[in-house]
Amino acid sequence: SQQGEEDPQALSIQEGENATMNCSYKTSINNLQWYRQNSGRGLVHLILIRSNEREKHSGRLRVTLDTSKKSSSLLITASRAADTASYFCATDERANSKLTFGKGITLSVRP
Amino acid sequence: DAGITQSPRHKVTETGTPVTLRCHQTENHRYMYWYRQDPGHGLRLIHYSYGVKDTDKGEVSDGYSVSRSKTEDFLLTLESATSSQTSVYFCAISDPRGLDNEQFFGPGTRLTVL
Repeated sequence: SQQGEEDPQALSIQEGENATMNCSYKTSINNLQWYRQNSGRGLVHLILIRSNEREKHSGRLRVTLDTSKKSSSLLITASRAADTASYFCATDERANSKLTFGKGITLSVRP
Repeated sequence: DAGITQSPRHKVTETGTPVTLRCHQTENHRYMYWYRQDPGHGLRLIHYSYGVKDTDKGEVSDGYSVSRSKTEDFLLTLESATSSQTSVYFCAISDPRGLDNEQFFGPGTRLTVL
């Protein structure tokens, strides 16, 4: 069963704009991770936020985590055409080395 | 792709035939995973391994078996392929330390069962 549910399912923005993607989950987690997948490729890990963290930055990425609402958001600032990809959130449940992935968000960045 | 290879990269087979997909890593990571990716379903875990000869089922394990005789190799076998197993298969590895479980993915195998 899907743990993480991303929102929206698809997002289209202009280059230079910010992109915000959301993920909601159902059970307690150890950490939440975001991955990117370019067309025809494997997933690439972007950023991980632990359950005791509220915000984390990595370059143009900012991720927040609200454990009381069981939700996370990924913000990509100053988007580029190269950011066009599918983005997945994945949750690592406590005492469990498995990740549960959401269905993904398709981001299109128009030049 | 973090020292992970998958073979074959593409395969077309017929219903009822056995198929084996191979994942090979050079990272000496303890954990290895097999996922399938289908439109509308995202990634779903088939089986995973937490050490040599130590494996466990994932969310969609029916019709699949795995083996891990060496740290670097994780094999996924479809004993008798069905059309519903047409999918893109990804292998992933991780080396959980402390609380983190970041996974690294292979390039995928596109399998078509006719």
